[in-house]
Amino acid sequence: NAGVTQTPKFQVLKTGQSMTLQCAQDMNHEYMSWYRQDPGMGLRLIHYSVGAGITDQGEVPNGYNVSRSTTEDFPLRLLSAAPSQTSVYFCASTPGHSSVSYEQYFGPGTRLTVT
Amino acid sequence: GQNIDQPTEMTATEGAIVQINCTYQTSGFNGLFWYQQHAGEAPTFLSYNVLDGLEEKGRFSSFLSRSKGYSYLLLKELQMKDSASYLCAVKGLTGGGNKLTFGTGTQLKVEL
Repeated sequence: NAGVTQTPKFQVLKTGQSMTLQCAQDMNHEYMSWYRQDPGMGLRLIHYSVGAGITDQGEVPNGYNVSRSTTEDFPLRLLSAAPSQTSVYFCASTPGHSSVSYEQYFGPGTRLTVT
Repeated sequence: GQNIDQPTEMTATEGAIVQINCTYQTSGFNGLFWYQQHAGEAPTFLSYNVLDGLEEKGRFSSFLSRSKGYSYLLLKELQMKDSASYLCAVKGLTGGGNKLTFGTGTQLKVEL
């Protein structure tokens, strides 16, 4: 299994541009999440999903959209990039409510800079 | 909401024992996680506590007291490779197993 994969690894955007960060998992996990990590702030939840077709907002959802059309994929869209969105973005997946494991598996991260 | 506190930095000596504390205040509690994160890498799972008491896993142990809103991660026989950030995270009552609130992390430096 590849686990959780994220593309791209690095990205530089200009203010106002839009883009999609890709995330995929091949473990048939039900739950998926997007976090951003900033120095001194820890990991903050952006959006999460408890299954295909179901998404909800986390702590810092503004400026981001998500969709979950399949179990495997959970893309994060930046609608109009701002310098405040410069961060490291992590995607994570968790088995699901029928599993005894709550361990989150994290992808390698996408380092985004907005100029 | 959730509020999670942990020390920003700690330093310890190779071969020693270190305890990293985490206190939390939550509107709903359904488990506490510890993750390890090396610089430039993704977090990796260390432990999960949902009941009071100590969970031991090799050199790492994690303790939870729900009545006190308190947890600690105990690392024994420290090795240089244990130098990393240790993240405490709390799971709420809603949102499934993937809606976690993280503390800001404790940067542990292991010295010779």
